Amino acid sequence: DVKVTQSSRYLVKRTGEKVFLECVQDMDHENMFWYRQDPGLGLRLIYFSYDVKMKEKGDIPEGYSVSREKKERFSLILESASTNQTSMYLCASSALLGAGYEQYFGPGTRLTVT
Amino acid sequence: GQQVMQIPQYQPVQEGEDFTTYCNSSTTLSNIQWYKQRPGGHPVFLIQLVKSGEVKKQKRLTFQFGEAKKNSSLHITATQTTDVGTYFCAANDYKLSFGAGTTVTVRA
Repeated sequence: DVKVTQSSRYLVKRTGEKVFLECVQDMDHENMFWYRQDPGLGLRLIYFSYDVKMKEKGDIPEGYSVSREKKERFSLILESASTNQTSMYLCASSALLGAGYEQYFGPGTRLTVT
Repeated sequence: GQQVMQIPQYQPVQEGEDFTTYCNSSTTLSNIQWYKQRPGGHPVFLIQLVKSGEVKKQKRLTFQFGEAKKNSSLHITATQTTDVGTYFCAANDYKLSFGAGTTVTVRA
């Protein structure tokens, strides 16, 4: 079974803090993704990576950065957390991009910024 | 990314009844995926549709891709409490663009 794990299920941070969210997948997938999920808005793509050290902006990259130094690990960084970044963050991986390749999601990290 | 609109946003259903959720796009989709997220859980892949007019069934769930490949639907027959959750469609070019989801609640 594909397993995608995220470093924390719940996280509380203060405004202005630097926040790291970690994601690890064990299926040697090429692609990894970070989404945020908010009620009524569905899942919105923040960044994705199609290879080590490669990244591409998604639909809402502002205020976020990412790092992929190893194939199995993809980190989401909030340089200076703000209250509007309070959300559920979901990591996903897939074997390849495009048709036919389902995404496998991690359990999510619920981040609260106070 | 491609924009997909999903309706309705909320769907209360009486146990045993049928319902349908719809996914619409203004542009032609190459393919579409459906995911289910149980309360407190994460999205799980259900199915992918690729061909115009394609219909696929999974037990009581029927998925359809429109002839023009601009819309898709999920029909659930004889709803059960296990069907509770949020159903997302996602347009797939080289990355997924998710609809806002339909949240289904079931009245016993």
